[in-house]
Amino acid sequence: TQLLEQSPQFLSIQEGENLTVYCNSSSVFSSLQWYRQEPGEGPVLLVTVVTGGEVKKLKRLTFQFGDARKDSSLHITAAQPGDTGLYLCAGGDSGAGSYQLTFGKGTKLSVIP
Amino acid sequence: DSGVTQTPKHLITATGQRVTLRCSPRSGDLSVYWYQQSLDQGLQFLIQYYNGEERAKGNILERFSAQQFPDLHSELNLSSLELGDSALYFCASSVQGGELFFGEGSRLTVL
Repeated sequence: TQLLEQSPQFLSIQEGENLTVYCNSSSVFSSLQWYRQEPGEGPVLLVTVVTGGEVKKLKRLTFQFGDARKDSSLHITAAQPGDTGLYLCAGGDSGAGSYQLTFGKGTKLSVIP
Repeated sequence: DSGVTQTPKHLITATGQRVTLRCSPRSGDLSVYWYQQSLDQGLQFLIQYYNGEERAKGNILERFSAQQFPDLHSELNLSSLELGDSALYFCASSVQGGELFFGEGSRLTVL
């Protein structure tokens, strides 16, 4: 069973601060996705990274896929209250004609105004 | 709005009972996935269907079953319910792998 460990579990910061959350696994994934989930809603995809060492930027969010495709990080610059939510990483694996996503338990981020 | 519709949004029932959760995928999506989300286990993959056929199974209990109908909607049946089955159940759809589009979930409470 492939497992994804996310850290920290909880993070509470002031508006304007920077933060990094991590997603680690002992397994190699063909792709890594980051989702954000707000209360009462389903997860929404933020980004997909597929190449080891890949870095993608989405406004104030920077995503990195580890060289070995086992880990990833999400860095948020100048956090805003609207960034509050549960951040989930998901490792993708294609096998037997099926694409599977394994989710981490998430990092719950609270940005205080 | 992801385009994925789940009903009911909330469901309260008693132990030993059976419930059915329904999912309508995004128009054109052939794959439907079911996930269970609880506080201690996170988002756990249950089962995937593709164009009416079961494609992959995850941590789905034998008391649970699912199917995808010709019109591509899917149902997740949960029977002999236990307190520990209380959770959020999400349906997601995709064209073929890649991005998953999640519904708003069905919150099941077993008393």
